[in-house]
Amino acid sequence: GAGVSQSPSNKVTEKGKDVELRCDPISGHTALYWYRQSLGQGLEFLIYFQGNSAPDKSGLPSDRFSAERTGGSVSTLTIQRTQQEDSAVYLCASSFPVNYGYTFGSGTRLTVV
Amino acid sequence: QKEVEQDPGPLSVPEGAIVSLNCTYSNSAFQYFMWYRQYSRKGPELLMYTYSSGNKEDGRFTAQVDKSSKYISLFIRDSQPSDSATYLCAMSGRGGGTSYGKLTFGQGTILTVHP
Repeated sequence: GAGVSQSPSNKVTEKGKDVELRCDPISGHTALYWYRQSLGQGLEFLIYFQGNSAPDKSGLPSDRFSAERTGGSVSTLTIQRTQQEDSAVYLCASSFPVNYGYTFGSGTRLTVV
Repeated sequence: QKEVEQDPGPLSVPEGAIVSLNCTYSNSAFQYFMWYRQYSRKGPELLMYTYSSGNKEDGRFTAQVDKSSKYISLFIRDSQPSDSATYLCAMSGRGGGTSYGKLTFGQGTILTVHP
């Protein structure tokens, strides 16, 4: 596609429920990143994919968070047993090659009530 | 202490003013420096990209990197109301390794340019 696409754009969920966030990167981009942006905060790194593998998942805040990427393309970030502190905007970005700046999607705004 | 420090502002200037945005950092391994602009409810978009020390100019925007002082700047000349946004600095280290390409961001500066 022309840009990085994320869905849903907004998600309201009840505390304790699981949620899945989807990212469609730019076609041909081998690197994919997930970041989290909380109100008034900068971007917090979550996980980095190169192809289908995740060489750096050091930013995942707890074992409730997981992510996968299939076919070197679409990625899904899953949050299990959501908590109120998980409320944030989850941003996906892709790049090719790395270190030339990313292209971000518009994000998924997650609200846990 | 955060690896990248950025004054969150907010910064309010009149149209036509020169705007200076700054970040300091502590990790001497950072080699790639970027500025992103983020409009409300949108993802960040890449404005400027520089490698190592020096200046880079693109239209009304100039990015400066001083690695000896661990200090980077973005200057906006003839600022316009459409420049009103949050500006984020970002940086990353040398290539190679499992964190290759990972960016570390500043907190972002909220800029308002009023007519």
